[in-house]
Amino acid sequence: AQSVTQLGSHVSVSEGALVLLRCNYSSSVPPYLFWYVQYPNQGLQLLLKYTTGATLVKGINGFEAEFKKSETSFHLTKPSAHMSDAAEYFCAVGRQGDTGRRALTFGSGTRLQVQP
Amino acid sequence: ETGVTQSPTHLIKTRGQQVTLRCSSQSGHNTVSWYQQALGQGPQFIFQYYREEENGRGNFPPRFSGLQFPNYSSELNVNALELDDSALYLCASSSGTSGGQFFGPGTRLTVL
Repeated sequence: AQSVTQLGSHVSVSEGALVLLRCNYSSSVPPYLFWYVQYPNQGLQLLLKYTTGATLVKGINGFEAEFKKSETSFHLTKPSAHMSDAAEYFCAVGRQGDTGRRALTFGSGTRLQVQP
Repeated sequence: ETGVTQSPTHLIKTRGQQVTLRCSSQSGHNTVSWYQQALGQGPQFIFQYYREEENGRGNFPPRFSGLQFPNYSSELNVNALELDDSALYLCASSSGTSGGQFFGPGTRLTVL
């Protein structure tokens, strides 16, 4: 069984400040981990993914995340927030292997607000 | 390259009716997954189709059913609609590699 916990349903930062969105996962098998972003009234866009190899993963729009097995975490960061980063962010876990054919388990999401 | 498309974008139905939602997968993708996203929640897995066969199902009742066609497009059918079925229904396609799933814009279903 797999599960995802996103700490903080709402996060507010000032423009130019560090963004940190927290994600902890539970998985009985080695996980694949994903971050998706959802803008209002839109579907989900893949930001980045961890499958195997390097634990620091870089994604689009300046975001990155680090897989820490010992902490079962996959926190999302961005050094400097931009107004356009305001959106809902979802962390998801899938099973290693053929992830295209495995269901993703999502967290409940974190809404990021960016203040001018 | 065409991304994942879904139709219709919005739909209003009354309780007890039936609905069909459609999804066209991204070019080269042979797997389609459907998710239900209730307001303020993360997506919940409904089921997945691979090469026209159901390839896994989440905790949804049998009145949620689906199809996948030879061109890998897919339908989600929901019978006997209930008020709690009101949600954004997301379709995601993938190619069976570690590249992840790519989502369409969703269909917003409102059940009155």
